Amino acid sequence: GESVGLHLPTLSVQEGDNSIINCAYSNSASDYFIWYKQESGKGPQFIIDIRSNMDKRQGQRVTVLLNKTVKHLSLQIAATQPGDSAVYFCAENKSNDYKLSFGAGTTVTVRA
Amino acid sequence: EAQVTQNPRYLITVTGKKLTVTCSQNMNHEYMSWYRQDPGLGLRQIYYSMNVEVTDKGDVPEGYKVSRKEKRNFPLILESPSPNQTSLYFCASRRAGGIPFQYNEQFFGPGTRLTVL
Repeated sequence: GESVGLHLPTLSVQEGDNSIINCAYSNSASDYFIWYKQESGKGPQFIIDIRSNMDKRQGQRVTVLLNKTVKHLSLQIAATQPGDSAVYFCAENKSNDYKLSFGAGTTVTVRA
Repeated sequence: EAQVTQNPRYLITVTGKKLTVTCSQNMNHEYMSWYRQDPGLGLRQIYYSMNVEVTDKGDVPEGYKVSRKEKRNFPLILESPSPNQTSLYFCASRRAGGIPFQYNEQFFGPGTRLTVL
């Protein structure tokens, strides 16, 4: 079946470095791809989304890249901080459907 | 403050004892959904509701029931819980409709950790 998945379950990053979290998806019919951040003991929180007709979108310290040719999505976090330690999920959505399909998540740990 | 609330946050119960996890949102969202989160599997949708009295199955509905009698509330019911329903549960809500081609953010509650012995 079609699914959204992440390349690596864990990522360790030195504080101040840039982080890159990857996600592979298989549903080429999705219209939106979304990144969520889940801190320990909390529910997922929206970070940024990107439409399928875009290649790149930037937010505050975050950039999402979409490569539809290879069905790859990535989240880049600039100058990673201790508060960025969390589990990051990618998700996909179609415009005519309110359901989000989530990947398994990547746990990011920031080293001081 | 705009939020999704869930209760209880933690629950330990025994096999077969009916339980209800409540969910409430104060954003007047039409769409509400329940997910379960298990290690290595991400979030999987259990049930969802497009509006009052409109509910439908998600990917893993077996053993669960829901109801949507009011727009703000979407309780999750386990009629006869089993150990394989031990999990972390999240309720979420989202505005339906709106600006075409604009993603409507889905808001999540803080989660309910359920253990079924």
